[in-house]
Amino acid sequence: DVKVTQSSRYLVKRTGEKVFLECVQDMDHENMFWYRQDPGLGLRLIYFSYDVKMKEKGDIPEGYSVSREKKERFSLILESASTNQTSMYLCASRGLLKETQYFGPGTRLLVL
Amino acid sequence: RKEVEQDPGPFNVPEGATVAFNCTYSNSASQSFFWYRQDCRKEPKLLMSVYSSGNEDGRFTAQLNRASQYISLLIRDSKLSDSATYLCVVNPGGAGSYQLTFGKGTKLSVIP
Repeated sequence: DVKVTQSSRYLVKRTGEKVFLECVQDMDHENMFWYRQDPGLGLRLIYFSYDVKMKEKGDIPEGYSVSREKKERFSLILESASTNQTSMYLCASRGLLKETQYFGPGTRLLVL
Repeated sequence: RKEVEQDPGPFNVPEGATVAFNCTYSNSASQSFFWYRQDCRKEPKLLMSVYSSGNEDGRFTAQLNRASQYISLLIRDSKLSDSATYLCVVNPGGAGSYQLTFGKGTKLSVIP
């Protein structure tokens, strides 16, 4: 069965802290994605990676960076967390042959 | 014009009712279309793909109208367990494209 896991379900951080969100998939998928989801705004793509060490900016990359050193792991980094980064963060992956994206359970991040 | 537009609802319907959602998309070159379901505080999951010829899966029927650039989802004999937010999703670039564009979702509540 398809599995995407995220390192934390809930996270509380202070303004200015560096935050790491980890995502791991066990399906040998090439593509991985980071979204944030906010009420009234829907899902917005932050970054995606189409292969190891490759990354592309999505629609809202400002304030974020990513790392993909291994195929199964895609990390989202908030270099200096701000209150407007309080959100639900969702990781997803997909293989090359199908368009379906499989999502992790999400991380609810609160920045105080 | 927003890329993918949905009526946010909520749609409050009694058990057993038939309910339909529509979604419009702006990119006429879009190739692939999907409906995802998102339960409260959970991740989105693929409900069904939408094909040009339409497709049916049990009580769920999806239709695509390319000329008018809209997608529909029909749910017959609604169950309490159908209560969720339904996301209309478009792949503007087709199978070779990495990105999906998500609508903001339509909330459905099925009432006993």
